[in-house]
Amino acid sequence: DAGVTQSPTHLIKTRGQHVTLRCSPISGHKSVSWYQQVLGQGPQFIFQYYEKEERGRGNFPDRFSARQFPNYSSELNVNALLLGDSALYLCASSEATDEAFFGQGTRLTVV
Amino acid sequence: GQQVMQIPQYQHVQEGEDFTTYCNSSTTLSNIQWYKQRPGGHPVFLIQLVKSGEVKKQKRLTFQFGEAKKNSSLHITATQTTDVGTYFCALSGSARQLTFGSGTQLTVLP
Repeated sequence: DAGVTQSPTHLIKTRGQHVTLRCSPISGHKSVSWYQQVLGQGPQFIFQYYEKEERGRGNFPDRFSARQFPNYSSELNVNALLLGDSALYLCASSEATDEAFFGQGTRLTVV
Repeated sequence: GQQVMQIPQYQHVQEGEDFTTYCNSSTTLSNIQWYKQRPGGHPVFLIQLVKSGEVKKQKRLTFQFGEAKKNSSLHITATQTTDVGTYFCALSGSARQLTFGSGTQLTVLP
């Protein structure tokens, strides 16, 4: 079985642009969460979706949004990019247990 | 929300030495998880502790949850170069939201 897959792996954007990051959870996992990891820090929770509904939201501005599709894959959208949005964006899926399975992440650089 | 403080921030050890990282909270925790992130990699789940005073072992790794459920530790015996990475503790809250500590970056010198 494939693990959590994210695309793209790397991305360079200009300030003010918009970005869409994608995540496919492990087959059978209905819960998807998004995290932002700035260099040298622990991951910070952004969103959690379960059965296509938002179940949790972290302390991030409204420029950040997400959705989950019927096949449980998910997208994270960030509008009006700022330099400070440069980070590793991690997607994690989980099922019945609390164990989170992380994807390899998308490295976003905003210039 | 609940937060955890993790110490030390960095640790350099000689291969074969032991290593310990600590996770502390001012409030009682319902559970704590530990993750390892290799350089350039993503967090990988190691273990979850839920019971007061719980001790779990995975080969050379020993995980403890304090009696008061306010602290936890990860101890590695006889470190190897494969142990290099950043070790994070994390709280699992509502909606499976994980709150991570700041991590301890372990360097193992050969």
